[in-house]
Amino acid sequence: DADVTQTPRNRITKTGKRIMLECSQTKGHDRMYWYRQDPGLGLRLIYYSFDVKDINKGEISDGYSVSRQAQAKFSLSLESAIPNQTALYFCATSGGPNYGYTFGSGTRLTVV
Amino acid sequence: AQSVTQLDSQVPVFEEAPVELRCNYSSSVSVYLFWYVQYPNQGLQLLLKYLSGSTLVKGINGFEAEFNKSQTSFHLRKPSVHISDTAEYFCAVSETGFQKLVFGTGTRLLVSP
Repeated sequence: DADVTQTPRNRITKTGKRIMLECSQTKGHDRMYWYRQDPGLGLRLIYYSFDVKDINKGEISDGYSVSRQAQAKFSLSLESAIPNQTALYFCATSGGPNYGYTFGSGTRLTVV
Repeated sequence: AQSVTQLDSQVPVFEEAPVELRCNYSSSVSVYLFWYVQYPNQGLQLLLKYLSGSTLVKGINGFEAEFNKSQTSFHLRKPSVHISDTAEYFCAVSETGFQKLVFGTGTRLLVSP
């Protein structure tokens, strides 16, 4: 099994729909992150969490929300999807600088 | 706040040639620096990191990078590339508290025969 699992791998949804992207990790790390990747823009941080009671906004949190259900689970929601949220979304976990980040394989989201 | 600039969006190179991918960062505090690689349709994988100590760090797959504090740079190098090195490479920085990584926009390395 992968250290960081993201579901679904691909999703097409309509404008205005609510959608949840899920992430689970088996590394036992406390820190979890959600990034989105857009061509030419690199990865931008949406939200991050250091434990189940600690949620922090990243640089592009508008239009997104998160839930840290357990140490191992961190979900990203789009309350009302819009086309410019079409992107590749990555979840990551970290045990600190010596570990860097471990990334999931990504969720490719298309909003039509 | 930290920021990262990857000066080249794409670097074409022939197989067995050397390559350098450039990365400059901006920060008012001490930093940690990372390089990640993303192969097509995959997540990102850690290539190497600089936390402290020797400014020349070696990573996986024959890559190395040199931290230059005066130039605020962390360029990635490989003396001889392979076709399999074709991928996108991301430089990233964090403050030494390591709360979060800030990524550059990426450099696509294209290795041709």
